[in-house]
Amino acid sequence: DAGVTQSPTHLIKTRGQQVTLRCSPKSGHDTVSWYQQALGQGPQFIFQYYEEEERQRGNFPDRFSGHQFPNYSSELNVNALLLGDSALYLCASSLGTASDTQYFGPGTRLTVL
Amino acid sequence: GDSVTQMEGPVTLSEEAFLTINCTYTATGYPSLFWYVQYPGEGLQLLLKATKADDKGSNKGFEATYRKETTSFHLEKGSVQVSDSAVYFCALSPRSGYSTLTFGKGTMLLVSP
Repeated sequence: DAGVTQSPTHLIKTRGQQVTLRCSPKSGHDTVSWYQQALGQGPQFIFQYYEEEERQRGNFPDRFSGHQFPNYSSELNVNALLLGDSALYLCASSLGTASDTQYFGPGTRLTVL
Repeated sequence: GDSVTQMEGPVTLSEEAFLTINCTYTATGYPSLFWYVQYPGEGLQLLLKATKADDKGSNKGFEATYRKETTSFHLEKGSVQVSDSAVYFCALSPRSGYSTLTFGKGTMLLVSP
């Protein structure tokens, strides 16, 4: 039973560029949430996708956008990258939006130079 | 809004010592409470959870009890091992509506032989 997978593992971009991160949820899960974890901090909620729609959003600017596909996989897009966007981006999956148990992937480490 | 406060680290212990990591929370209603663990270079793993007052979550020798009166969920282990060295995150999720996690800043645990 495959867990949550994310790609790529690491990514280096320069300021102003755009980036796309990908996530495949755990088998049987239909809800995907994205979190940003800055160095030395706890993860912060970005947004949650269910039935291909954004259902809940944290305090992040519109530069952060996402998408969910019919197979439940998801993408996180960040436009106009800033140095402060450097972080570990974590994807978590769950069964339904009200499930209180989320399973996390290994993350994508984004470095913005 | 919801928030989680954890004791600052690092917590440095010798093998077989007793561990306590304090966690308190502020939330509307009665959230579900979690401890997640993050090993170096990895994503988050759910360690244990509790969903209502006086519930005790336990896993791999770790325990935490949901204390509504003190709004706390302290993590304990009777005898730590070197392999327990990691960063521990306390988190909460609302019991109703969309399930999103609010994390504390994390507490690093270092266990020496």
